[in-house]
Amino acid sequence: GAVVSQHPSWVICKSGTSVKIECRSLDFQATTMFWYRQFPKQSLMLMATSNEGSKATYEQGVEKDKFLINHASLTLSTLTVTSAHPEDSSFYICSARETYRGSYGYTFGSGTRLTVV
Amino acid sequence: QKEVEQNSGPLSVPEGAIASLNCTYSDRGSQSFFWYRQYSGKSPELIMSIYSNGDKEDGRFTAQLNKASQYVSLLIRDSQPSDSATYLCAVKGGNKLVFGAGTILRVKS
Repeated sequence: GAVVSQHPSWVICKSGTSVKIECRSLDFQATTMFWYRQFPKQSLMLMATSNEGSKATYEQGVEKDKFLINHASLTLSTLTVTSAHPEDSSFYICSARETYRGSYGYTFGSGTRLTVV
Repeated sequence: QKEVEQNSGPLSVPEGAIASLNCTYSDRGSQSFFWYRQYSGKSPELIMSIYSNGDKEDGRFTAQLNKASQYVSLLIRDSQPSDSATYLCAVKGGNKLVFGAGTILRVKS
């Protein structure tokens, strides 16, 4: 089945620094990847849609200058949280869509738990 | 605003029973529906997808879709303690998934 690898699985950073999270589709090509954020006991909130070779599409209320997304290849998308603050602490999850056996599914990476201190 | 509604629970069932999870959605034009399971601290994993009215079975799981009522459900037969998790209903809108808030399921041994 489809595998999406996400790295790192957890990271602690100081306030004001930047953190990069990588999302890779290991056995399929993904022209589109999705970035979600999940706060404790809440559901997944879509932050942005990452498009290979073009600019990401951000959801309303998400600061595109703070959450930089780069989708440079068909298998790699990165999310950089710039000038991180404690309120950015959250569980960040990427997802990619794969078509298989005439159907399709959205496969999620393992997630990155970001703690800003 | 497309919405997906789920009862947050928790839904408690004894081991071996059938767990029934429900989801309603607001966009009548939706065509693709997904159920994900999420363990605490982990990312969601796909259980089932369903696109046509009726039932779709996969092992102990059955997804049911009724587009006229804008309703999708997931039945888990012979529930096991390992099924205890949050179950997320997701509806495809455009190229994106819209998630419900999730239903917490607790299977008691």
